[in-house]
Amino acid sequence: AQSVAQPEDQVNVAEGNPLTVKCTYSVSGNPYLFWYVQYPNRGLQFLLKYITGDNLVKGSYGFEAEFNKSQTSFHLKKPSALVSDSALYFCAVRDMFSGGYNKLIFGAGTRLAVHP
Amino acid sequence: DGGITQSPKYLFRKEGQNVTLSCEQNLNHDAMYWYRQDPGQGLRLIYYSQIVNDFQKGDIAEGYSVSREKKESFPLTVTSAQKNPTAFYLCASSILAGGPSTDTQYFGPGTRLTVL
Repeated sequence: AQSVAQPEDQVNVAEGNPLTVKCTYSVSGNPYLFWYVQYPNRGLQFLLKYITGDNLVKGSYGFEAEFNKSQTSFHLKKPSALVSDSALYFCAVRDMFSGGYNKLIFGAGTRLAVHP
Repeated sequence: DGGITQSPKYLFRKEGQNVTLSCEQNLNHDAMYWYRQDPGQGLRLIYYSQIVNDFQKGDIAEGYSVSREKKESFPLTVTSAQKNPTAFYLCASSILAGGPSTDTQYFGPGTRLTVL
């Protein structure tokens, strides 16, 4: 079965330190991977996606993600965290068996808390 | 959230009532989606539609119904058959998916439904 896992419910980091939010996936074939961010009582905002090409993908707000095929991971990273980065982060993978429909499978989410 | 509007922001329902959540987009996207978000469970797909007058059940369609009479609009009705409707509901849209789609889904701001 296709799936995506976010192994950490919460990540705590001090402002100015690098941050990593982990995501691993299980799909057949080449994965299409996405990261979204959600602020309280808001919809999801698209951060970045990996389809093909360079394993390091750069996205919005200084975030980047590294695709690692051998480890089936797509971890979200930022060199220097801001307090305003505190939010809920979702990793998603496209369902490759959706018959051409653009279905996404979401992880459970990781809450990032950046402390001053 | 730009381009996709959801109303109302908060909705209260008495048991046994049907309620309809509105979703409108001005992005000229063909595909639209409804998700349900519960704490700690990520997003689960309720229904999706690729084209006017066509829609497909997602993973948790029981107790919900949709219509797609216009490209811009994809209302969701939560019926009395939905046993646990209290949740945050998110609408999304994307460019028409076809084949190995890589299209990004863009989300509205959400509607929080509470059953009294």
